[in-house]
Amino acid sequence: NAGVTQTPKFRILKIGQSMTLQCTQDMNHNYMYWYRQDPGMGLKLIYYSVGAGITDKGEVPNGYNVSRSTTEDFPLRLELAAPSQTSVYFCASTHPLTSGTDTQYFGPGTRLTVL
Amino acid sequence: KNEVEQSPQNLTAQEGEFITINCSYSVGISALHWLQQHPGGGIVSLFMLSSGKKKHGRLIATINIQEKHSSLHITASHPRDSAVYICAVSGRGGSEKLVFGKGTKLTVNP
Repeated sequence: NAGVTQTPKFRILKIGQSMTLQCTQDMNHNYMYWYRQDPGMGLKLIYYSVGAGITDKGEVPNGYNVSRSTTEDFPLRLELAAPSQTSVYFCASTHPLTSGTDTQYFGPGTRLTVL
Repeated sequence: KNEVEQSPQNLTAQEGEFITINCSYSVGISALHWLQQHPGGGIVSLFMLSSGKKKHGRLIATINIQEKHSSLHITASHPRDSAVYICAVSGRGGSEKLVFGKGTKLTVNP
Protein backbone atom coordinates (compact mmCIF):
# COMPACT_ATOMS: atom_id res chain seq x y z
CA ASN A 1 0.00 0.00 0.00
CA ALA A 2 1.19 3.52 -0.78
CA GLY A 3 -0.79 4.87 2.18
CA VAL A 4 -1.77 8.54 1.88
CA THR A 5 -0.26 10.42 -1.05
CA GLN A 6 -0.36 14.15 -1.70
CA THR A 7 0.53 16.20 -4.73
CA PRO A 8 2.21 18.55 -5.30
CA LYS A 9 4.95 18.59 -2.65
CA PHE A 10 5.68 22.28 -3.17
CA ARG A 11 3.85 25.10 -4.92
CA ILE A 12 4.18 28.84 -5.21
CA LEU A 13 1.04 30.78 -6.10
CA LYS A 14 0.41 34.39 -6.85
CA ILE A 15 -2.32 36.25 -4.96
CA GLY A 16 -5.68 35.56 -6.56
CA GLN A 17 -4.68 32.34 -8.32
CA SER A 18 -6.44 29.07 -7.59
CA MET A 19 -5.24 25.51 -7.27
CA THR A 20 -6.23 22.04 -6.12
CA LEU A 21 -4.23 20.03 -3.63
CA GLN A 22 -4.65 16.34 -4.34
CA CYS A 23 -4.97 13.63 -1.69
CA THR A 24 -5.41 9.92 -2.32
CA GLN A 25 -5.41 6.94 0.03
CA ASP A 26 -5.42 3.25 -0.88
CA MET A 27 -6.36 1.83 2.52
CA ASN A 28 -10.14 1.97 1.97
CA HIS A 29 -10.44 4.45 4.83
CA ASN A 30 -13.79 6.17 4.99
CA TYR A 31 -12.69 9.14 7.12
CA MET A 32 -10.40 11.75 5.56
CA TYR A 33 -9.15 15.13 6.76
CA TRP A 34 -7.32 18.23 5.61
CA TYR A 35 -5.13 20.10 8.10
CA ARG A 36 -2.90 23.13 7.83
CA GLN A 37 0.20 23.71 9.91
CA ASP A 38 1.53 27.21 10.48
CA PRO A 39 4.90 27.89 12.18
CA GLY A 40 4.64 27.73 15.96
CA MET A 41 1.02 26.67 15.82
CA GLY A 42 -0.67 23.31 16.13
CA LEU A 43 -2.30 21.69 13.16
CA LYS A 44 -5.75 23.05 12.43
CA LEU A 45 -8.58 21.13 10.76
CA ILE A 46 -9.81 22.70 7.52
CA TYR A 47 -12.38 20.17 6.25
CA TYR A 48 -13.19 16.55 6.83
CA SER A 49 -15.23 13.77 5.28
CA VAL A 50 -16.74 10.67 6.84
CA GLY A 51 -17.46 9.00 3.53
CA ALA A 52 -17.97 9.53 -0.19
CA GLY A 53 -20.43 12.34 -0.81
CA ILE A 54 -20.20 13.69 2.76
CA THR A 55 -18.04 16.65 3.76
CA ASP A 56 -18.07 19.10 6.64
CA LYS A 57 -16.24 22.19 7.81
CA GLY A 58 -13.51 22.09 10.39
CA GLU A 59 -12.00 24.88 12.43
CA VAL A 60 -10.57 27.03 9.58
CA PRO A 61 -12.61 26.41 6.37
CA ASN A 62 -12.72 29.93 4.93
CA GLY A 63 -11.07 30.21 1.53
CA TYR A 64 -11.20 26.48 0.86
CA ASN A 65 -13.53 23.94 -0.68
CA VAL A 66 -13.51 20.15 -0.83
CA SER A 67 -15.29 17.32 -2.55
CA ARG A 68 -15.41 13.58 -1.95
CA SER A 69 -16.73 11.76 -4.98
CA THR A 70 -14.83 8.52 -4.23
CA THR A 71 -13.56 6.78 -1.11
CA GLU A 72 -9.96 7.19 -2.28
CA ASP A 73 -9.76 10.87 -3.20
CA PHE A 74 -10.27 14.04 -1.17
CA PRO A 75 -9.06 17.11 -3.07
CA LEU A 76 -8.76 20.53 -1.43
CA ARG A 77 -9.49 23.54 -3.60
CA LEU A 78 -8.08 27.02 -2.94
CA GLU A 79 -9.95 29.80 -4.68
CA LEU A 80 -8.44 33.30 -4.85
CA ALA A 81 -5.24 32.46 -2.96
CA ALA A 82 -4.18 34.89 -0.23
CA PRO A 83 -0.88 35.25 1.66
CA SER A 84 -2.67 34.01 4.81
CA GLN A 85 -2.98 30.62 3.10
CA THR A 86 0.79 30.18 3.05
CA SER A 87 1.18 27.03 5.09
CA VAL A 88 1.97 23.34 5.03
CA TYR A 89 -1.08 21.24 4.24
CA PHE A 90 -1.51 17.68 5.44
CA CYS A 91 -4.10 15.17 4.39
CA ALA A 92 -4.91 12.28 6.72
CA SER A 93 -7.20 9.29 6.81
CA THR A 94 -8.52 6.77 9.29
CA HIS A 95 -10.97 3.94 9.59
CA PRO A 96 -12.75 4.08 12.90
CA LEU A 97 -13.32 0.80 14.60
CA THR A 98 -16.84 0.08 15.73
CA SER A 99 -15.59 0.18 19.31
CA GLY A 100 -13.70 3.45 19.15
CA THR A 101 -11.24 5.61 17.28
CA ASP A 102 -8.31 4.54 15.19
CA THR A 103 -4.92 6.01 14.41
CA GLN A 104 -4.71 8.58 11.66
CA TYR A 105 -2.36 8.13 8.72
CA PHE A 106 -0.81 11.30 7.33
CA GLY A 107 0.35 12.22 3.87
CA PRO A 108 3.79 13.79 3.37
CA GLY A 109 2.40 17.32 3.16
CA THR A 110 2.23 20.11 0.57
CA ARG A 111 4.21 23.28 1.24
CA LEU A 112 2.31 26.20 -0.28
CA THR A 113 3.57 29.76 -0.56
CA VAL A 114 1.32 32.58 -1.74
CA LEU A 115 3.14 35.71 -2.89
CA LYS B 1 -6.96 28.92 26.35
CA ASN B 2 -6.09 26.09 23.98
CA GLU B 3 -7.96 22.86 24.45
CA VAL B 4 -4.66 20.94 24.35
CA GLU B 5 -1.57 22.23 26.13
CA GLN B 6 1.87 20.65 25.90
CA SER B 7 4.96 21.23 27.98
CA PRO B 8 7.73 21.93 27.56
CA GLN B 9 7.71 23.70 24.18
CA ASN B 10 11.39 22.92 23.67
CA LEU B 11 13.53 20.26 25.28
CA THR B 12 17.25 19.57 24.90
CA ALA B 13 18.73 16.39 26.32
CA GLN B 14 21.94 14.42 26.27
CA GLU B 15 21.99 10.99 24.72
CA GLY B 16 20.87 8.37 27.21
CA GLU B 17 18.67 10.67 29.29
CA PHE B 18 15.08 9.85 30.27
CA ILE B 19 12.65 12.22 28.56
CA THR B 20 9.14 13.23 29.65
CA ILE B 21 6.73 15.33 27.60
CA ASN B 22 3.42 16.35 29.13
CA CYS B 23 0.01 17.00 27.65
CA SER B 24 -3.09 18.41 29.35
CA TYR B 25 -6.50 18.79 27.80
CA SER B 26 -9.68 20.51 28.85
CA VAL B 27 -12.44 18.69 26.97
CA GLY B 28 -14.02 15.27 27.11
CA ILE B 29 -12.26 12.93 24.74
CA SER B 30 -12.64 9.51 23.20
CA ALA B 31 -8.90 9.06 22.70
CA LEU B 32 -5.55 10.79 22.97
CA HIS B 33 -2.90 10.51 20.28
CA TRP B 34 0.85 11.03 20.35
CA LEU B 35 2.40 11.85 17.00
CA GLN B 36 5.97 12.36 15.87
CA GLN B 37 6.93 14.90 13.22
CA HIS B 38 10.32 14.25 11.70
CA PRO B 39 12.70 17.10 10.81
CA GLY B 40 11.73 16.49 7.16
CA GLY B 41 8.10 17.24 8.04
CA GLY B 42 6.45 13.82 7.87
CA ILE B 43 4.00 12.94 10.65
CA VAL B 44 3.56 9.45 12.06
CA SER B 45 1.27 8.19 14.75
CA LEU B 46 3.07 6.76 17.79
CA PHE B 47 0.23 5.91 20.14
CA MET B 48 -3.50 6.13 20.48
CA LEU B 49 -4.82 5.53 23.97
CA SER B 50 -7.99 6.02 25.93
CA SER B 51 -6.86 4.63 29.27
CA GLY B 52 -3.82 3.30 31.11
CA LYS B 53 -0.48 2.88 29.47
CA LYS B 54 1.07 1.70 26.21
CA LYS B 55 4.67 0.81 25.41
CA HIS B 56 6.49 0.47 22.13
CA GLY B 57 10.21 -0.06 22.27
CA ARG B 58 11.73 2.82 24.25
CA LEU B 59 8.52 4.86 24.13
CA ILE B 60 5.88 4.77 26.84
CA ALA B 61 2.62 6.72 26.86
CA THR B 62 0.33 7.07 29.85
CA ILE B 63 -3.00 8.76 30.34
CA ASN B 64 -4.97 9.79 33.44
CA ILE B 65 -8.55 10.39 32.36
CA GLN B 66 -9.64 11.88 35.69
CA GLU B 67 -6.83 14.46 35.64
CA LYS B 68 -7.08 15.01 31.85
CA HIS B 69 -3.35 14.50 31.51
CA SER B 70 -1.02 12.34 29.45
CA SER B 71 2.73 11.85 29.38
CA LEU B 72 5.08 10.54 26.74
CA HIS B 73 8.31 9.06 28.05
CA ILE B 74 11.42 8.16 26.08
CA THR B 75 13.94 5.92 27.81
CA ALA B 76 17.64 5.88 26.85
CA SER B 77 17.15 8.78 24.43
CA HIS B 78 19.12 8.83 21.19
CA PRO B 79 19.87 11.60 18.66
CA ARG B 80 17.50 9.90 16.20
CA ASP B 81 14.67 10.67 18.66
CA SER B 82 15.11 14.36 17.81
CA ALA B 83 11.76 15.46 16.40
CA VAL B 84 8.62 17.39 17.29
CA TYR B 85 6.23 15.37 19.42
CA ILE B 86 2.58 16.33 19.10
CA CYS B 87 -0.30 15.52 21.42
CA ALA B 88 -3.80 15.46 19.94
CA VAL B 89 -7.23 14.51 21.24
CA SER B 90 -10.30 13.22 19.46
CA GLY B 91 -13.68 14.18 20.80
CA ARG B 92 -16.81 12.15 21.35
CA GLY B 93 -18.66 13.35 18.25
CA GLY B 94 -17.88 10.26 16.21
CA SER B 95 -16.01 11.92 13.34
CA GLU B 96 -12.60 11.28 14.97
CA LYS B 97 -11.57 14.91 14.37
CA LEU B 98 -8.31 15.75 16.10
CA VAL B 99 -7.48 18.86 18.13
CA PHE B 100 -3.74 19.33 18.37
CA GLY B 101 -1.28 20.77 20.83
CA LYS B 102 1.46 23.01 19.49
CA GLY B 103 4.10 20.33 19.83
CA THR B 104 7.30 19.82 21.81
CA LYS B 105 10.56 20.12 19.93
CA LEU B 106 13.03 17.58 21.29
CA THR B 107 16.73 17.74 20.51
CA VAL B 108 18.94 14.93 21.75
CA ASN B 109 22.64 15.67 21.58
CA PRO B 110 25.28 12.92 21.27
